[in-house]
Amino acid sequence: GIQVEQSPPDLILQEGANSTLRCNFSDSVNNLQWFHQNPWGQLINLFYIPSGTKQNGRLSATTVATERYSLLYISSSQTTDSGVYFCAVQYGNNRLAFGKGNQVVVIP
Amino acid sequence: EAGVTQSPTHLIKTRGQQATLRCSPISGHTSVYWYQQALGLGLQFLLWYDEGEERNRGNFPPRFSGRQFPNYSSELNVNALELEDSALYLCASSLAPGLGYGYTFGSGTRLTVV
Repeated sequence: GIQVEQSPPDLILQEGANSTLRCNFSDSVNNLQWFHQNPWGQLINLFYIPSGTKQNGRLSATTVATERYSLLYISSSQTTDSGVYFCAVQYGNNRLAFGKGNQVVVIP
Repeated sequence: EAGVTQSPTHLIKTRGQQATLRCSPISGHTSVYWYQQALGLGLQFLLWYDEGEERNRGNFPPRFSGRQFPNYSSELNVNALELEDSALYLCASSLAPGLGYGYTFGSGTRLTVV
């Protein structure tokens, strides 16, 4: 199956700092999504981004499908940004593969 | 628009019992997916249902099963529960299978097997 690697696995940020999370995938994919899992376990869809760049408030994402990676940018981080960020790729017969996540802790 | 709803939120069962988890997709979504998130193992694909049929399953034993009803809601059944089945079970729905449709997740059911 396809391999999805996320880096860094753990990140501690001072409130107000910027950060970049990376997702590499090993094969061609049909689609890619970024999710934020809050402390209660809920997965919130951030971006549906098979290619190109999208922005939503302080978050933006870029996927370069030809080079098999995606980046999630968090600017001016807030404590509510804490949680695990998952990259998920859709491939083959509608299969969805997740990376292991980026654990982000934003401290005040 | 209501999101994906899962019930119950929490479930505590004894080893050997059966657990039933429920999921209602977003209105109009025909595909329902089940994932298991066990501690330290990340998100693992369990089952995919579309139009009432099981389309795909992950590497889980047959005691994990489910079904999709005519209204597209779904049930996940876990028989002969084992301690390692303790996990967060997440359900997702999409408008249709295939290209171009993202997934929306529910809040999950946290199953604890004692």
